[in-house]
Amino acid sequence: AQKITQTQPGMFVQEKEAVTLDCTYDTSDPSYGLFWYKQPSSGEMIFLIYQGSYDQQNATEGRYSLNFQKARKSANLVISASQLGDSAMYFCAMSSPSGNTPLVFGKGTRLSVIA
Amino acid sequence: EPEVTQTPSHQVTQMGQEVILRCVPISNHLYFYWYRQILGQKVEFLVSFYNNEISEKSEIFDDQFSVERPDGSNFTLKIRSTKLEDSAMYFCASSEPGQETQYFGPGTRLLVL
Repeated sequence: AQKITQTQPGMFVQEKEAVTLDCTYDTSDPSYGLFWYKQPSSGEMIFLIYQGSYDQQNATEGRYSLNFQKARKSANLVISASQLGDSAMYFCAMSSPSGNTPLVFGKGTRLSVIA
Repeated sequence: EPEVTQTPSHQVTQMGQEVILRCVPISNHLYFYWYRQILGQKVEFLVSFYNNEISEKSEIFDDQFSVERPDGSNFTLKIRSTKLEDSAMYFCASSEPGQETQYFGPGTRLLVL
């Protein structure tokens, strides 16, 4: 069974600084996908970034990058140049290999950006 | 940019009543999902739907729940007889064939009294 672990319930970061949100995963599948979603206080789930297990390079999307370390089974999200609008819950999730399969989510990390 | 929409945004109902939550997935997506998030907890998978039938469901998705695609655009989740513990945010999501990324709707916040 797949499992996602996010060990940081809450994080603080100063505006304009970079922050890393931790995510470790467990799976016996050789192929899988890893995702990060942002959930602001309004409640919606916003897709941020995706990493395939066979991708050679770490995924990047604007200020978001995914630090993928396959041997350590970690998929940390790095947010550069934090903005006040980045304050939200962040969820790490994974899918199984065949695509179009249910996502398994972690418990989330609440990020607070301080001015 | 295409997006998943959900109605209503909020629903308050009495225990034992039936509720129907509605979703309009992104138009070229063929895979549809329902998830729920109890307040303060993680997002949990309920059911996935493809080609007019359930492709996968979780233990949460018992006989009280059903899904339907009544026409070419809507995707619904019905809870037949709501219980207090059904109070949660319900998210619809959709994805393209062969693509892993699921795009979520804004959610319906259900409160059962």
